[in-house]
Amino acid sequence: GEDVEQSLFLSVREGDSSVINCTYTDSSSTYLYWYKQEPGAGLQLLTYIFSNMDMKQDQRLTVLLNKKDKHLSLRIADTQTGDSAIYFCAESTKTSYDKVIFGPGTSLSVIP
Amino acid sequence: NAGVTQTPKFQVLKTGQSMTLQCAQDMNHEYMSWYRQDPGMGLRLIHYSVGAGITDQGEVPNGYNVSRSTTEDFPLRLLSAAPSQTSVYFCASKGALNTEAFFGQGTRLTVV
Repeated sequence: GEDVEQSLFLSVREGDSSVINCTYTDSSSTYLYWYKQEPGAGLQLLTYIFSNMDMKQDQRLTVLLNKKDKHLSLRIADTQTGDSAIYFCAESTKTSYDKVIFGPGTSLSVIP
Repeated sequence: NAGVTQTPKFQVLKTGQSMTLQCAQDMNHEYMSWYRQDPGMGLRLIHYSVGAGITDQGEVPNGYNVSRSTTEDFPLRLLSAAPSQTSVYFCASKGALNTEAFFGQGTRLTVV
């Protein structure tokens, strides 16, 4: 079945890099996503990566995918207080393209 | 272009009451989904739809009904509310050719 795991909390100092990790079980995952949820708000897509890619960079965000270990990470460079939020890892597969399965979310706290 | 609109934003129900959470999207998306968000559990899929007239069960469908009579609307019905259904509910939509799921702002439901 499909399962996505993340650690629940991460705390970093402003200006440092944050690395949020995620593992998934479905080897047929096609898309892997990182969503951000600010307090009291819905989810916004930060970035995504196709399963045939190893890395994707988008400004301060770097996504690394290790397909062999089914491990996904999100690195935020120069973390700012505005980055404090819950970050969700999610996956979807070709066979269930319409379903997106989410991890439990990692709550990132940025200390000024 | 409003995106995904959920109503109401907040609701308190008594055990055994019924109600419908509304979700509407104006992006002509084929796929629509309902999730519930509980602390430490991420978003769990309740029901989803791949188009008008087609619905299917997600991970936690018990106690909820859905229908998709139009492309735009995907209401979620609680027939007899239970305290275990206290949660934050999110509706999402996605186009068949899109990778991004767009989320509503959420409905915070409390069942007493």
